[in-house]
Amino acid sequence: EVLLEQSGGEVKKPGESLRISCKGSGFIFSNYWIAWVRQMPGKGLEWMGIMFPGDSETTYSPSFQGQVTMSADKSISTAYLQWSSLQASDTAIYYCARHRGTAATPRWGFDTWGQGTLLTVSS
Amino acid sequence: DIQMTQSPSSVSASVGDRVTITCRASQHVSAWLAWYQQKPGKAPNLLIYAASSLHTGVPSRFSGSGSGTEFTLTIDSLQPEDFATYYCQQANSFPFSFGPGTKVDIK
Repeated sequence: EVLLEQSGGEVKKPGESLRISCKGSGFIFSNYWIAWVRQMPGKGLEWMGIMFPGDSETTYSPSFQGQVTMSADKSISTAYLQWSSLQASDTAIYYCARHRGTAATPRWGFDTWGQGTLLTVSS
Repeated sequence: DIQMTQSPSSVSASVGDRVTITCRASQHVSAWLAWYQQKPGKAPNLLIYAASSLHTGVPSRFSGSGSGTEFTLTIDSLQPEDFATYYCQQANSFPFSFGPGTKVDIK
């Protein structure tokens, strides 16, 4: 079974750093694009960026460029999303999602999603 | 960057109804468009990719059409489990982007 398992919810203070994880199983992790998506409370989906663990190619949405860092350790089939200094506005659910196929360009949608990591940033 | 819009933002419908949701892109995206369903407290689920291809396991009452800048998702004979929020997402060029969502609720 193809799965993405995300790390648990976090409660942090403004200015703190954080790294959340997304572990894949049931597929060859390095062959699939992995995207990160934000959903703020009661709001819609926002595409944050995407990376290809095989060669670490990464593209960020301009809205998130410089605000977060995406990385992956393909040896343990895990992708990461990292903040160096959290803000209250980072409070949201963060999803990782796997591209539907192994194409060089991820045009076919995202067919496997993690369960989401709820991040709460509050003083 | 490509901006996505959806209409309507919400629709009230009854079981058995046909529901059509429209998604528009600010630029041409060819057929690189996906549709997702999201229920409260759950991750999204892929319904349609490449504008009109039904993802594995998705009921045939869901269908997608369109190309270029205008797309539609149609749900034939709405079922109780279909009450949810639906999002389109363009996959033509980075940064990918989602539409704002259409909530389908019970009339």
